[in-house]
Amino acid sequence: DGGITQSPKYLFRKEGQNVTLSCEQNLNHDAMYWYRQDPGQGLRLIYYSQIVNDFQKGDIAEGYSVSREKKESFPLTVTSAQKNPTAFYLCASSIIGGNPHEQFFGPGTRLTVL
Amino acid sequence: KNEVEQSPQNLTAQEGEFITINCSYSVGISALHWLQQHPGGGIVSLFMLSSGKKKHGRLIATINIQEKHSSLHITASHPRDSAVYICAVNSGGGADGLTFGKGTHLIIQP
Repeated sequence: DGGITQSPKYLFRKEGQNVTLSCEQNLNHDAMYWYRQDPGQGLRLIYYSQIVNDFQKGDIAEGYSVSREKKESFPLTVTSAQKNPTAFYLCASSIIGGNPHEQFFGPGTRLTVL
Repeated sequence: KNEVEQSPQNLTAQEGEFITINCSYSVGISALHWLQQHPGGGIVSLFMLSSGKKKHGRLIATINIQEKHSSLHITASHPRDSAVYICAVNSGGGADGLTFGKGTHLIIQP
């Protein structure tokens, strides 16, 4: 089955530790995205990538880093510089070309920093 | 930057009622999306539209480009429709991410 996988579903970390969230897709999509969701707020774009080895900052990139070494994978690292890392993180992907662009979402990872 | 506003924020209705959720945005778009998020967090795409109207089962989505407004309607609502409904827009022509509304939390009581 084609889709997006995120692991783990729940993640706990101590304050000051870096943590990496996994996102893998087998949809052969060129573009991948990371969003953050906080209670009472809309999803916000952290980073996105339209091609391997290239990525762009979104609206709230500070304290986060990404890599795109393979088309299928777009891991997100939450660094100790992120002031409020506890949130729900969603990964998404889409094709490029054609307009508009439908996005497919992963199941999400809920990160709690203690 | 596009601003996306949804109303109402919360809506509780009885089973069978006709439901309307509204979305407005501030800047021209290439597409508008209606998404559904269940308590576990997973998001499902319901509609993607750039003009007119789309229907899928009991769900209908409309968009008025001139007024920068879209509505999501649910006919004959059912408790299983209870979820958060999210409006999101593509502002650019490229694959540069969506801008989201805060969502409408819908509860359908039996």
